[in-house]
This record gives sequence, C-alpha cells and structure tokens, in this order.
Amino acid sequence: GAGVSQSPSNKVTEKGKDVELRCDPISGHTALYWYRQSLGQGLEFLIYFQGNSAPDKSGLPSDRFSAERTGGSVSTLTIQRTQQEDSAVYLCAVGKRGEAFFGQGTRLTVV
Amino acid sequence: GNSVTQMEGPVTLSEEAFLTINCTYTATGYPSLFWYVQYPGEGLQLLLKATKADDKGSNKGFEATYRKETTSFHLEKGSVQVSDSAVYFCALRLNSGGYQKVTFGIGTKLQVIP
Repeated sequence: GAGVSQSPSNKVTEKGKDVELRCDPISGHTALYWYRQSLGQGLEFLIYFQGNSAPDKSGLPSDRFSAERTGGSVSTLTIQRTQQEDSAVYLCAVGKRGEAFFGQGTRLTVV
Repeated sequence: GNSVTQMEGPVTLSEEAFLTINCTYTATGYPSLFWYVQYPGEGLQLLLKATKADDKGSNKGFEATYRKETTSFHLEKGSVQVSDSAVYFCALRLNSGGYQKVTFGIGTKLQVIP
C-alpha cells in the first residue's frame, strides 16, 4: 500500500521463539495501527498509536505481544514465545485525512 | 463501544448480478464510514467513504449511503464482474475527541463466477 512498508514480507519461526515485525511509514502520518488477519477471519485490532498520546493497547491478545513506535515513525511489533495460534498476516496501517492506508503485511507462520 | 457488523460470507454471484453487502454500526459519536477491499494476494485499500449522514460514497461502480436512522452503510453494485471478487470490509472512525481508531467488520468474501 502507498506510504507503508512492512518487513519481512514472510516469516517462518519455530514455536517458542521471539519475532519482530517492522512497519516503516512515510513521514507525516500521526496515526499508526497494527491489525492481525487470520485465515478465514476478519481484521483483529491489536494496537493504535496517535502522535504523542499513550497508545491504545486494548487489542493485544496477551502479554506476549508488545509494540513500540520510535520517533513517531517506525513501529515494531514484538511477539515473544510464539505459539502456533499466532500464525497470521500482521498488517500495519497509517492514518491520513481520516483514512487508513495499509501495508502489504507480514505473513507469520509458527511451526 | 464502537462496532461494525457485516454479513458473513462467502457471497457467490454470477457475473452481472446485483450485489448488496449489508453493514450496520454502533458508535457513541458521529463516525465516518468506509468500505475497504482486499483483492486476492493484495493489501487492503480504500474503496469508498462517507463522512456524514445521507452522504453517498461511490467508486468503481460501487455505492454506499450513510443512513443514520438505520445506522447502516450497505455496499451495492448494479452489475458485478469477475474482477470484483475480493474480501470487502466495512469500517468506521469516530470524528470527535481526536481519537481516530478505525474499527473494522469481519469482512465479507465475494466470489463472482462467469
């Protein structure tokens, strides 16, 4: 999607390992979202950053999940001690003019 | 809380059929409403939007009207094509309070057959 780069595009990891997913938006977007899309499921909200405000972490499914946004730009989603149910596509989006612009996502597979 | 409810799929239609995908919402304020589309193998992209009651969003032959009285934003297209096969997500964003989290529905998969 325009304005958002996610890396890696695919990640295969062993159960129990930690993973970091990166979202690199173009500058000027104050709002940044992480969503998860599981096979056959809809979009599950994870976390939302807006400027310097405290992030809305209400969607994080467990304390194994955390995210940070450094300098109001790049964001990293970290999943500790991955489980097979964490397998999904993790989508980052940025907000601009009230719209959300999505990256292509990171497909995470936990084996 | 704020939520979006949309019809579960999959929806299978023949080419040139009329499409309706229902979407209703619950919001504590006055939201903007959106339809996003995800084509196979691609990321989500905005299809259309409406920011206030009675507005009609339109794009690529798709339309949706913001109905405050029924809290709905149903997606319609008069004649679907095979290339419209995708997953469609209804979404809302509150306009007030500087809090701009976008809430999505579960998505409706549309399959158009020749």
